[in-house]
Amino acid sequence: AQSVAQPEDQVNVAEGNPLTVKCTYSVSGNPYLFWYVQYPNRGLQFLLKYITGDNLVKGSYGFEAEFNKSQTSFHLKKPSALVSDSALYFCAVRDTGRRALTFGSGTRLQVQP
Amino acid sequence: DGGITQSPKYLFRKEGQNVTLSCEQNLNHDAMYWYRQDPGQGLRLIYYSQIVNDFQKGDIAEGYSVSREKKESFPLTVTSAQKNPTAFYLCASSMDTDTQYFGPGTRLTVL
Repeated sequence: AQSVAQPEDQVNVAEGNPLTVKCTYSVSGNPYLFWYVQYPNRGLQFLLKYITGDNLVKGSYGFEAEFNKSQTSFHLKKPSALVSDSALYFCAVRDTGRRALTFGSGTRLQVQP
Repeated sequence: DGGITQSPKYLFRKEGQNVTLSCEQNLNHDAMYWYRQDPGQGLRLIYYSQIVNDFQKGDIAEGYSVSREKKESFPLTVTSAQKNPTAFYLCASSMDTDTQYFGPGTRLTVL
């Protein structure tokens, strides 16, 4: 069975500094990986995905993610954090059998002014 | 959230009562999903449907039921058999590209 781990419950970063939110995965076969963001009491918004191709994936709002097959990681990054990036971030992997998503437990990003 | 609506936004249930959460999409997506979100646990799959008139149980289907009579609609019923239903419920839909798009959610509280 597939699984996703987000080892940090919370990440704190100063505005203007680079940010990284970590994600590792376990899946048989080729992984389909996703990042979503959730603001309080809202649904999830899609940021980016990796299906195949370039290991560096660019997404919405200046976010990007680096796929590393040997380390089974898919870390989310942004060169310069904004206070408005403060939210809950979820990494997910697609279940190859049923096309649903398996989510990590989420990482809360706090960007201080 | 665009294209997927969920209602109501807040719902209160008394013990022993069944309640139904609505999910509608106008994206012409074939597949629809229901997830439950609890603090610190991420999202867990309740039910999913890949086509009209067909649906499958997810990881935590006990105490829930669904129907898929129309492509646009995938209502979720939380029955009295669900012992701990207080949670945030999220509906999603997707086409073959696999990206799921989520609705704004319904927060259910048991009184």
